[in-house]
Amino acid sequence: QKEVEQNSGPLSVPEGAIASLNCTYSDRGSQSFFWYRQYSGKSPELIMFIYSNGDKEDGRFTAQLNKASQYVSLLIRDSQPSDSATYLCAVNRDYGQNFVFGPGTRLSVLP
Amino acid sequence: ETGVTQTPRHLVMGMTNKKSLKCEQHLGHNAMYWYKQSAKKPLELMFVYSLEERVENNSVPSRFSPECPNSSHLFLHLHTLQPEDSALYLCASSQAFPTGDYGYTFGSGTRLTVV
Repeated sequence: QKEVEQNSGPLSVPEGAIASLNCTYSDRGSQSFFWYRQYSGKSPELIMFIYSNGDKEDGRFTAQLNKASQYVSLLIRDSQPSDSATYLCAVNRDYGQNFVFGPGTRLSVLP
Repeated sequence: ETGVTQTPRHLVMGMTNKKSLKCEQHLGHNAMYWYKQSAKKPLELMFVYSLEERVENNSVPSRFSPECPNSSHLFLHLHTLQPEDSALYLCASSQAFPTGDYGYTFGSGTRLTVV
């Protein structure tokens, strides 16, 4: 079983819709969870992090964490074409420095 | 600029060459990382330096040799690489644990092609 799984996509949504990106992880002891955005040909940039069960909102982005189900998601409200990118989920086991990344989900927001 | 600078941006090298990738961070972080990103594969952690000591080495072939002379600089020395080593090599930095809301800051990467 892969440690961090994401649907590779592409996930296509119309402009203005809500994009929902999902991530599951295998290590039940994982402590912290991160979402990165990577534009084609660019390096990943941190969007959000979440430690506690529930929702965390930052502007148009909402991260949702359910440790019992080992599931973390990212919602993007009012999706824009500029949100088109690959979204990487990263999981940290022990607040240490060893992050495990998922393969990423490619999002395409259609104008 | 993200605060983490990598050079060169692109590198083409033959299998018998020796080259080095350089990374410099201006964020006051004390942990630095090398990642490999190949097409259609997850980011692969190669090396971790925390407080200038290597704390992680994920079974990386010896043809890759890291060096961290201080907390702001990180190198990846390359020699006798194989074509399958062609990838995007990303440097990242962060605060060493345990701290609050931390994450990586990535550099722009070096696109390496081995011919």
